Amino acid sequence: GAGVSQSPSNKVTEKGKDVELRCDPISGHTALYWYRQSLGQGLEFLIYFQGNSAPDKSGLPSDRFSAERTGGSVSTLTIQRTQQEDSAVYLCASSFLSVLQETQYFGPGTRLLVL
Amino acid sequence: DQQVKQNSPSLSVQEGRISILNCDYTNSMFDYFLWYKKYPAEGPTFLISISSIKDKNEDGRFTVFLNKSAKHLSLHIVPSQPGDSAVYFCAVQGGSEKLVFGKGTKLTVNP
Repeated sequence: GAGVSQSPSNKVTEKGKDVELRCDPISGHTALYWYRQSLGQGLEFLIYFQGNSAPDKSGLPSDRFSAERTGGSVSTLTIQRTQQEDSAVYLCASSFLSVLQETQYFGPGTRLLVL
Repeated sequence: DQQVKQNSPSLSVQEGRISILNCDYTNSMFDYFLWYKKYPAEGPTFLISISSIKDKNEDGRFTVFLNKSAKHLSLHIVPSQPGDSAVYFCAVQGGSEKLVFGKGTKLTVNP
């Protein structure tokens, strides 16, 4: 497992349902980031983890969004009561250290479609 | 309001010629600048970066230029190759670990 992996790669859900998106960072990377890319937009920061704690949750758009990280490794992003505007590609990234100017390596993303 | 602007949604160049992608930012607190490349259905791949103490960084065919007074950076690809066809995102960082991205420029290199 050389890179960041995410699952599922695609998710179609109905409005109002909850979804869970998973991210496996590069082994040994202490920092983990969630971004999302809506159609025609750039990547938008959601939350970042240093170990298992989240020093910056400022990008989470509403309280329907939450994320956790366990064991300093896998992270799960949960969206409750999904809305159509939640449709986007959700991207996870990791970096070796949680310091400034540390390169972030991205996974392939989860494409979420809310009908 | 966008903090990072890539005003050209697309760019088309001929193989072998130079590709120049541009990016403008609004906040002088940003001090680290990156370019990512993205192919369809893949995540962004780090390409090259530059810190605010420098005005140029070169890596093979890729060179990034930073003009702090104009709050402008550019990516030059010379010579351009068909495999360079992708969406290029400019990203900036300043004072926190999060990256702020532009909307991207789709580069097409024609054989």
